[in-house]
Amino acid sequence: GQSLEQPSEVTAVEGAIVQINCTYQTSGFYGLSWYQQHDGGAPTFLSYNALDGLEETGRFSSFLSRSDSYGYLLLQELQMKDSASYFCAVKAGTALIFGKGTTLSVSS
Amino acid sequence: DGGITQSPKYLFRKEGQNVTLSCEQNLNHDAMYWYRQDPGQGLRLIYYSQIVNDFQKGDIAEGYSVSREKKESFPLTVTSAQKNPTAFYLCASSTGQGWSEQYFGPGTRLTVT
Repeated sequence: GQSLEQPSEVTAVEGAIVQINCTYQTSGFYGLSWYQQHDGGAPTFLSYNALDGLEETGRFSSFLSRSDSYGYLLLQELQMKDSASYFCAVKAGTALIFGKGTTLSVSS
Repeated sequence: DGGITQSPKYLFRKEGQNVTLSCEQNLNHDAMYWYRQDPGQGLRLIYYSQIVNDFQKGDIAEGYSVSREKKESFPLTVTSAQKNPTAFYLCASSTGQGWSEQYFGPGTRLTVT
């Protein structure tokens, strides 16, 4: 079958750095995306990795290792507004598969 | 402003009734998608359409139907055959091959009793 695994919860304090991991088991892998969703809101796109390596966008970075079927989202200089759920998603064949999400709680 | 709209935000229906959820986009995107989200879960793909008058089933299409008569619109009908219809429904769109970067609407929370 096809699956994505990510931690259910992560906690951190303001100003810290946090890493959210995502491991996947799929066939016909094309790339890994990350989305942020605040409680009750719509998911918003954060980043996409098709090739191995690190992609940086401001405070957020995303990494992919295709050989390890693994990726992560790195959030730096955490702010209270970063408290949300973060989903990894992969396209495998014609299907788009989302992980169950990681709830990040940032405290002061 | 460009974006995706879904209406209504909250919808209540009795069991046995079909209900249609609206999704409209003015981003000129070719592809549109419908997802279902249950509490504490990720998004599951119901249907998607890459071009007008064409659509494909996703992972959980049973009990749902869609149409794509216009580029801007992709309505979803939740039929009485759907066993557990209560959920948060999200519509999204992307450029033709831009599945990796999808733009989501605000969602419709459907409650069936």
